Amino acid sequence: DTAVSQTPKYLVTQMGNDKSIKCEQNLGHDTMYWYKQDSKKFLKIMFSYNNKELIINETVPNRFSPKSPDKAHLNLHINSLELGDSAVYFCASSPANENTEAFFGQGTRLTVV
Amino acid sequence: AQKVTQAQTEISVVEKEDVTLDCVYETRDTTYYLFWYKQPPSGELVFLIRRNSFDEQNEISGRYSWNFQKSTSSFNFTITASQVVDSAVYFCALRFRDDYKLSFGAGTTVTVRA
Repeated sequence: DTAVSQTPKYLVTQMGNDKSIKCEQNLGHDTMYWYKQDSKKFLKIMFSYNNKELIINETVPNRFSPKSPDKAHLNLHINSLELGDSAVYFCASSPANENTEAFFGQGTRLTVV
Repeated sequence: AQKVTQAQTEISVVEKEDVTLDCVYETRDTTYYLFWYKQPPSGELVFLIRRNSFDEQNEISGRYSWNFQKSTSSFNFTITASQVVDSAVYFCALRFRDDYKLSFGAGTTVTVRA
């Protein structure tokens, strides 16, 4: 039923670990995104994919690797986690037409200890 | 470069008061799209309204209304007769034509007290 779903909702892990966040949308959208929200609530684009192709990589460390196996999925894998990676990560999707809103998942709160 | 500024960091009102949130943006493009999103304490991001740069008609939708003025690059949002459930962080966002991202303002935290 959920339009954009991401798992897990909470993720607590130690420095140096590798973790993944999964995202799926059932809206038939062509474009998917990952945004990062920091502790001051600032939202910033990380990646944009259109039809499984990477369109935007907004100067994100290469420890972050998105993977889009199909149009409905965009997963985020993070290697060698650092304390500064602690944030809320939002997946979103939208039609390719920029004249439409993006729909967001519920967010994944990542805490690196 | 595009930039969205929400000068108000926090607004606190008593229930039933009106709340107006300011949003000013910078762009050199003539075609762009503006959005307002709400993030309640539960954390999800909820779409509220959208406006195209070529449509300056201001509208009212229930308790929400917006004032889009290209001349001043502003896209302000008003909640009429606020309720406690309106307490949230409100984000203004901008997207260019042929651009695959939203640029968000820093957000305005609205607290509505009973």
